[in-house]
Amino acid sequence: GESVGLHLPTLSVQEGDNSIINCAYSNSASDYFIWYKQESGKGPQFIIDIRSNMDKRQGQRVTVLLNKTVKHLSLQIAATQPGDSAVYFCAEMYYNQGGKLIFGQGTELSVKP
Amino acid sequence: NAGVMQNPRHLVRRRGQEARLRCSPMKGHSHVYWYRQLPEEGLKFMVYLQKENIIDESGMPKERFSAEFPKEGPSILRIQQVVRGDSAAYFCASSLSGGAQDTQYFGPGTRLTVL
Repeated sequence: GESVGLHLPTLSVQEGDNSIINCAYSNSASDYFIWYKQESGKGPQFIIDIRSNMDKRQGQRVTVLLNKTVKHLSLQIAATQPGDSAVYFCAEMYYNQGGKLIFGQGTELSVKP
Repeated sequence: NAGVMQNPRHLVRRRGQEARLRCSPMKGHSHVYWYRQLPEEGLKFMVYLQKENIIDESGMPKERFSAEFPKEGPSILRIQQVVRGDSAAYFCASSLSGGAQDTQYFGPGTRLTVL
């Protein structure tokens, strides 16, 4: 029979508001984490990364927070714009499995003008 | 500065045919990774290659799938005797030095449809 895709978690925000996208990762041994943005019909685009010896890293309009105690990662987008509408994935990497990214399910961000 | 290039962007095959997906890494990158994405799901790792070497193929199905990255030319993901369940988007990524904590940059993907 025909398979049905999973429904992605969604987040809807008003233009200009701040967005927070959350991710729970699976392996306490993971030591490198990345956020990717994927627009419809395109490949994932690197946004920001963080290593396990840090708990916060800031980029342009984006901040990533890492809480290793509860294996939680978040992406904060300041002053969200319509161009930020996309699916956002977190990914983790284990040092002893260098090269293999493990992706989360993804969150669909919708920005209302 | 060209990014990761993949072709074709869309590929339609009938059940039982072969699919060949090509990936040219970013200039200066010698490490290539293939991932598969089913509708509304995250990407799943398939294989990691360096020039002429397969480093990690733990995500590759045991049968019908193979990958190579020759000394010259693009990396090729080959799917023999395709079935409907192979329909997905296949993404290639490349990195500069490979391995742990090296940023992977993705191409636009090849969308395979098996009729």
